[in-house]
Amino acid sequence: GAVVSQHPSRVICKSGTSVKIECRSLDFQATTMFWYRQFPKQSLMLMATSNEGSKATYEQGVEKDKFLINHASLTLSTLTVTSAHPEDSSFYICSAEYRQGGYEQYFGPGTRLTVT
Amino acid sequence: GQQVMQIPQYQHVQEGEDFTTYCNSSTTLSNIQWYKQRPGGHPVFLIQLVKSGEVKKQKRLTFQFGEAKKNSSLHITATQTTDVGTYFCAEPSNTGKLIFGQGTTLQVKP
Repeated sequence: GAVVSQHPSRVICKSGTSVKIECRSLDFQATTMFWYRQFPKQSLMLMATSNEGSKATYEQGVEKDKFLINHASLTLSTLTVTSAHPEDSSFYICSAEYRQGGYEQYFGPGTRLTVT
Repeated sequence: GQQVMQIPQYQHVQEGEDFTTYCNSSTTLSNIQWYKQRPGGHPVFLIQLVKSGEVKKQKRLTFQFGEAKKNSSLHITATQTTDVGTYFCAEPSNTGKLIFGQGTTLQVKP
């Protein structure tokens, strides 16, 4: 199956700093990637759709200026959490469609962000 | 908007017992996907159902899509400890977005 990597797997940062998370499709090209966050024992909440070569599409209630998404190539999308606060601590997961159009998604291993 | 309700939220079973999780949508679904997330892990695609009334099997797992394409179920026969995890149904849109159900967390007592 298709492989999606995510880096870093864990990060601890101080309040007020910014953190960048990378999501890479290793053996396929992904025009579209997705970013989710997941709180403990809860479901995945879609944050935004990352589109290669264009602006990301954010879900309602997600601050675009706080969660900066850049999809610079067909294999890389980045999520930057700016001016992080403790309430931003969460599990962030990216995914990519192996084929476009409502097919299965392959998820990265996730990034555990802790803001102190 | 899109909304997928999934029940139960938690299920504890004795190893060897069966397990079922259900998903219901407020709208007719074009298709539905199922994912499994192990504790501490990430979601892994299990299957996609497309046709009305479709039934698919993967070893001890049976997936069903309702006749009206508004509900789906995942049934595990004779659970094993390796089945532990959270099972999500997900409703894909034509833009590729996945709307996840709340998930059912399965605990299996050996």
